[in-house]
Amino acid sequence: DGGITQSPKYLFRKEGQNVTLSCEQNLNHDAMYWYRQDPGQGLRLIYYSQIVNDFQKGDIAEGYSVSREKKESFPLTVTSAQKNPTAFYLCASSIALQGRNTEAFFGQGTRLTVV
Amino acid sequence: DAKTTQPPSMDCAEGRAANLPCNHSTISGNEYVYWYRQIHSQGPQYIIHGLKNNETNEMASLIITEDRKSSTLILPHATLRDTAVYYCIVRVSGGYQKVTFGTGTKLQVIP
Repeated sequence: DGGITQSPKYLFRKEGQNVTLSCEQNLNHDAMYWYRQDPGQGLRLIYYSQIVNDFQKGDIAEGYSVSREKKESFPLTVTSAQKNPTAFYLCASSIALQGRNTEAFFGQGTRLTVV
Repeated sequence: DAKTTQPPSMDCAEGRAANLPCNHSTISGNEYVYWYRQIHSQGPQYIIHGLKNNETNEMASLIITEDRKSSTLILPHATLRDTAVYYCIVRVSGGYQKVTFGTGTKLQVIP
């Protein structure tokens, strides 16, 4: 069945290491997004992408990088430059056509802990 | 540059209607109002959206004021499973754009 999958659900990383979070969707959606959520806070946009090989910085892109080599996949790398990487990370996708029902579908999230 | 304002928390008795308000006084003519909810430690779930007419689906009703500066999400018979954070966002339907979420309203349904 169609959906958006994030893996892993829980991830532990040593300080100073890069780590890549996976996001895959089989909904044939053009647009994909990455959000960060800290305890008791709302969602903050990290990066977003409309089409393959194109992506834009969101509000808190520093210390993160993304790629969009395939329509179905939008991996997020948390680099060692990200000062406070411990957080809940959410990936989403949506149709990007004007006038269509464009609600975003979210994955179940990856909880990253830096130890 | 938050586009919407919501109360941080609300309580509702189980079985009663939950009315969640949202202010979006700077909404543009081509922006829709979308509502999502997030149950603890899960990804947000789409509920409903509308442009200017009231909308209803199997989950909720959306009432948008005539001037479109505010809206109310109505859960007609709240259950304990409706306890969640509810987010109201405004966005153009479709197109290439940022989609940002604020802090939402934490709804607590009380037995």
